[in-house]
Amino acid sequence: DAKTTQPPSMDCAEGRAANLPCNHSTISGNEYVYWYRQIHSQGPQYIIHGLKNNETNEMASLIITEDRKSSTLILPHATLRDTAVYYCIVIKSGSEKLVFGKGTKLTVNP
Amino acid sequence: EPEVTQTPSHQVTQMGQEVILRCVPISNHLYFYWYRQILGQKVEFLVSFYNNEISEKSEIFDDQFSVERPDGSNFTLKIRSTKLEDSAMYFCASSEFVGRGWTDTQYFGPGTRLTVL
Repeated sequence: DAKTTQPPSMDCAEGRAANLPCNHSTISGNEYVYWYRQIHSQGPQYIIHGLKNNETNEMASLIITEDRKSSTLILPHATLRDTAVYYCIVIKSGSEKLVFGKGTKLTVNP
Repeated sequence: EPEVTQTPSHQVTQMGQEVILRCVPISNHLYFYWYRQILGQKVEFLVSFYNNEISEKSEIFDDQFSVERPDGSNFTLKIRSTKLEDSAMYFCASSEFVGRGWTDTQYFGPGTRLTVL
């Protein structure tokens, strides 16, 4: 699976959009981009995933560049409860194993 | 909304004892997983399970570990003789399907904190 690079930490003001970048320059055509988050030591929570197209759900939007080498997770109106570690994971279709990196520690400030 | 559940939330055991961690995956899911996270470290894959067989396992998943689906709802992880370094959060996950050409989202449980004394 392709390696991902994320900034170790980011801050965001409550109510503002949080834009979390992820670099996956070695991604191949059959690999998906998944985003999870982990609040304290709770179980990882699925947020969103995509292959090529931008995606939106009730939690977030995922913007994938045309060359697929990077993506951005957007939380449109961050709240204090969005403070968590966010993981960008690239996984090959048909693969069963999620490989977690260190992620980005997002702190939402009042 | 369906969710993965795990019991107990916290298990304390003595070194050398056997422990069984329990998980109830989402009901229509066919693939089951165990991950662990040692305090302050990354979440690590242990094993995946499908059709009553181990599908994939990591090098962490040695002979001390075993998994079982004893009935139609539970999925268990057994550690035969616990070591101090087994202390970690253990997360169960499930997904509906994994197939050639596509993959499915894994949903995680809240975890069991295992403390080995």
